[in-house]
Amino acid sequence: GENVEQHPSTLSVQEGDSAVIKCTYSDSASNYFPWYKQELGKGPQLIIDIRSNVGEKKDQRIAVTLNKTAKHFSLHITETQPEDSAVYFCAAPVGTYSGGGADGLTFGKGTHLIIQP
Amino acid sequence: DVKVTQSSRYLVKRTGEKVFLECVQDMDHENMFWYRQDPGLGLRLIYFSYDVKMKEKGDIPEGYSVSREKKERFSLILESASTNQTSMYLCASTGRLAGRTYEQYFGPGTRLTVT
Repeated sequence: GENVEQHPSTLSVQEGDSAVIKCTYSDSASNYFPWYKQELGKGPQLIIDIRSNVGEKKDQRIAVTLNKTAKHFSLHITETQPEDSAVYFCAAPVGTYSGGGADGLTFGKGTHLIIQP
Repeated sequence: DVKVTQSSRYLVKRTGEKVFLECVQDMDHENMFWYRQDPGLGLRLIYFSYDVKMKEKGDIPEGYSVSREKKERFSLILESASTNQTSMYLCASTGRLAGRTYEQYFGPGTRLTVT
């Protein structure tokens, strides 16, 4: 099955600086890579995703890059703000089960992003 | 807005009790999932279902079972709760289009403590 490694486990940056979180995956057949943000007391929420037919995707201050050859993808947050403080998870599809339904996700262990004022 | 609700935010049970965690989604999604979240381990898939009465094991199904009698409802069952099942349990759902994986919508989670 898929294995997803995420680094770092904790990241502290000054407000206004950029933050980068990196993930690697093991299954070269994986084709969908979402990033989730989890705020305290809430379930994870999708913030951006990328499919394997593109190398980069941007949404305002957030971007995701994908390197299929190296099997890694990264989340970039620019001009960080206090509300960016949260735990971020990367994920990749578990794999196609015999039932043919949509995949569950294998998650990285998470990065606690701390924005220092 | 998609809404995924879970029956309890906090639950305290005793070792050996049978525990039911309920999840309901209101977007007519085919797929539903149960994960557990533990510090330093991230989210791990327990079971999922891609249709009524259908279920598939995830990465850590031992000690759990599931039930999906209606499309909108997916239940996680701990037949005999143990202390190592103390955790945060998250339910998620997603629609399905052939050959594609889509955004999973998560509920707020149930924090279960087994004493």
